[in-house]
Amino acid sequence: EAGVAQSPRYKIIEKRQSVAFWCNPISGHATLYWYQQILGQGPKLLIQFQNNGVVDDSQLPKDRFSAERLKGVDSTLKIQPAKLEDSAVYLCASSLLTTGELFFGEGSRLTVL
Amino acid sequence: AQSVTQPDIHITVSEGASLELRCNYSYGATPYLFWYVQSPGQGLQLLLKYFSGDTLVQGIKGFEAEFKRSQSSFNLRKPSVHWSDAAEYFCAVGAGGATNKLIFGTGTLLAVQP
Repeated sequence: EAGVAQSPRYKIIEKRQSVAFWCNPISGHATLYWYQQILGQGPKLLIQFQNNGVVDDSQLPKDRFSAERLKGVDSTLKIQPAKLEDSAVYLCASSLLTTGELFFGEGSRLTVL
Repeated sequence: AQSVTQPDIHITVSEGASLELRCNYSYGATPYLFWYVQSPGQGLQLLLKYFSGDTLVQGIKGFEAEFKRSQSSFNLRKPSVHWSDAAEYFCAVGAGGATNKLIFGTGTLLAVQP
């Protein structure tokens, strides 16, 4: 069974530029999550989708971050404009059910200069 | 508010020695508790979880954890550490219910000496 796929693995941009990360969850998983992991900290949930609807985006900085999950499968997380403090690893995870085990991708590491 | 504390930022053990990683949580109801492991450049992998029932839970790779409600703890243990166990370990608490929002601790980085 294929795992959660993320791309790109690494991205370096300058502040005020934009960036987008893509996630393909495990086939059949209805729930998809984006987490932000800043160096030295644990992952923090940014947004949770159930199919193509948002369940929780309370910690998403909506002035610069946006995410969508068209057709309830793939998801894209966008940052525009990026700030230095957005440097982090962005982890995508999926689960079969809302209370099921989360399966994480390898993450996309963003460096903002 | 829910929170997770991992008091040890970095731990070094010798290969073959026993291991205990500490985790304390703050949550009003019965929590869902998890331990994840993250190897360098990799995503997080679930080691074990506690939802209810037996307070001693067994996980993958020979790990176990014990839920102690009186101490608000969920410590991870392994009787004999292998060099391949070197990684970062995260404890997390989940709200359960309609969402599976995990709140992670700051992690404990484990180094294994030969």
